[in-house]
Amino acid sequence: AQSVTQLGSHVSVSEGALVLLRCNYSSSVPPYLFWYVQYPNQGLQLLLKYTSAATLVKGINGFEAEFKKSETSFHLTKPSAHMSDAAEYFCAVSGGSYIPTFGRGTSLIVHP
Amino acid sequence: KAGVTQTPRYLIKTRGQQVTLSCSPISGHRSVSWYQQTPGQGLQFLFEYFSETQRNKGNFPGRFSGRQFSNSRSEMNVSTLELGDSALYLCASSFEAGTAYGYTFGSGTRLTVV
Repeated sequence: AQSVTQLGSHVSVSEGALVLLRCNYSSSVPPYLFWYVQYPNQGLQLLLKYTSAATLVKGINGFEAEFKKSETSFHLTKPSAHMSDAAEYFCAVSGGSYIPTFGRGTSLIVHP
Repeated sequence: KAGVTQTPRYLIKTRGQQVTLSCSPISGHRSVSWYQQTPGQGLQFLFEYFSETQRNKGNFPGRFSGRQFSNSRSEMNVSTLELGDSALYLCASSFEAGTAYGYTFGSGTRLTVV
């Protein structure tokens, strides 16, 4: 069994501030973990993925995420938010079944 | 490299009708998965196809069906539409079955049932 919990349905930051989007997972087997971003009226775009190599994963648009097995977490961060980062972000876990389970999403709001 | 193409982008249908949605994956990708996205339920897995075979199916009624053709293009069909079927339907392609590679999603088909 696998599940994903994204803490906070909405996160609001000022432009230039640190972005931190939280994701905790459960999986009965070593997981693959993913972050996706969805802009309005579009599909999801893969930001980054963890597949058991380096625990710190760098993705596109300056985002990165750290896999912490002891905390079963895979939080997404970006040092400095930009207005264009405003979107919906989804964490996903894929365990033994390989079919990923998606979190409910976190809406990132960036204020000028 | 062309992305995942879903057609049509928008559809309005009446309760009781049926609908067919189409998805063309990225060239070379053999796995196609379908998801339903709604504000209330989030992203829910419908089915996964690989090399014309349905490998996995989500917890949806039999009114939802799909298929994959030899060129990897996929269609999904919903019969006897209900108001609750209104959603964004997303197609995702992957190089191989399973998702270690991650998905490439299309822009979706917005279905409205009235």
